[in-house]
Amino acid sequence: DQQVKQNSPSLSVQEGRISILNCDYTNSMFDYFLWYKKYPAEGPTFLISISSIKDKNEDGRFTVFLNKSAKHLSLHIVPSQPGDSAVYFCAAKRSSASKIIFGSGTRLSIRP
Amino acid sequence: SQTIHQWPATLVQPVGSPLSLECTVEGTSNPNLYWYRQAAGRGLQLLFYSVGIGQISSEVPQNLSASRPQDRQFILSSKKLLLSDSGFYLCAWSPPGQFNSPLHFGNGTRLTVT
Repeated sequence: DQQVKQNSPSLSVQEGRISILNCDYTNSMFDYFLWYKKYPAEGPTFLISISSIKDKNEDGRFTVFLNKSAKHLSLHIVPSQPGDSAVYFCAAKRSSASKIIFGSGTRLSIRP
Repeated sequence: SQTIHQWPATLVQPVGSPLSLECTVEGTSNPNLYWYRQAAGRGLQLLFYSVGIGQISSEVPQNLSASRPQDRQFILSSKKLLLSDSGFYLCAWSPPGQFNSPLHFGNGTRLTVT
């Protein structure tokens, strides 16, 4: 049972435009959400997070939006840059728990 | 500052051989520790996590096991590897008691079972 789903395995965006990566979750007990970026043969690196008490969190070019009623979150990257090409993982957890569940990832390719 | 070390970086093992992957964290005490696996074309699957010495939570039934013999050491083992054990294994840590804190990952071990 996949509790965190990223239904788009890949996404191609032109440099300078907005990249939007989507994530859905099924467990209504999740109240903390994270996005990670991963390059090949490296460990994922933390990008940005959001608590369920918020619906938006912004950090530079990265913004995460949370829609609790739809159990959906998205990561916006604007403007997209070549170095953004990587696999992006969405993750979710309950604040009271240690376990973090990851989605299957979306491979983002930024084309010139 | 905290650092996480994971080794080896790559490993090729025959089917039926044993496995031992080691992960250590420096610069923090009593971290939460995690083992994840990324199989080819798939996401990050949580295998084990630990909130203290000797405490292991297993998420997936398999022929792998984990141990935490010291506060900042986390070991992933198998007595007999299967072909399906091939993948990219990642160790991660998070601060103790800070539940809304991100995981920090090591650089991973690429395991190929032949």
